[in-house]
Amino acid sequence: GIQVEQSPPDLILQEGANSTLRCNFSDSVNNLQWFHQNPWGQLINLFYIPSGTKQNGRLSATTVATERYSLLYISSSQTTDSGVYFCAVGKDRGSTLGRLYFGRGTQLTVWP
Amino acid sequence: DTGVSQNPRHKITKRGQNVTFRCDPISEHNRLYWYRQTLGQGPEFLTYFQNEAQLEKSRLLSDRFSAERPKGSFSTLEIQRTEQGDSAMYLCASSLAAGGTDTQYFGPGTRLTVL
Repeated sequence: GIQVEQSPPDLILQEGANSTLRCNFSDSVNNLQWFHQNPWGQLINLFYIPSGTKQNGRLSATTVATERYSLLYISSSQTTDSGVYFCAVGKDRGSTLGRLYFGRGTQLTVWP
Repeated sequence: DTGVSQNPRHKITKRGQNVTFRCDPISEHNRLYWYRQTLGQGPEFLTYFQNEAQLEKSRLLSDRFSAERPKGSFSTLEIQRTEQGDSAMYLCASSLAAGGTDTQYFGPGTRLTVL
């Protein structure tokens, strides 16, 4: 399967700070998604970004597919940004059709 | 679009009992996935349906586990003879694979505790 490594594993910030989360993966992919898991366990879609750059408010993401990594940027962090951020990748062909491979996540804590 | 729903949200059972979970995907989504998540880990793939056909199963899915998606709509995941190691969050996701994209949307999960 595809190995996914996320860093850092834990991140503690003061409200208003900026942060960068990284996701490295071991194979070429054609699906990459970033999720935020809230304290109740719900996985919330942030970005579908197998390549390129996208922005949504204070969040943006960049995936460099040829170098097998993706970055999630959070600017002006708020306490509501706290939670676990997951990167998941997939290769929609062959024997692994459709499935996503998840990293272990980055636990983000934002203090007021 | 009401999102992916799962029932029940919580299930406590005794070892050896059978349990069944239900997932209702986003309407018209042709793909449905089941994942399992244990504490401190990311979700792990269990199985996947395209319409009513089960196309892929993980080695994690032992013979005690069975999943169905009759008529390509809702899906059920049954665990027979539950073991304490089955305690986890069971997540369902759906997607509409079209135009080269396949964004998976997750439900709130069913948290299983096996005593």
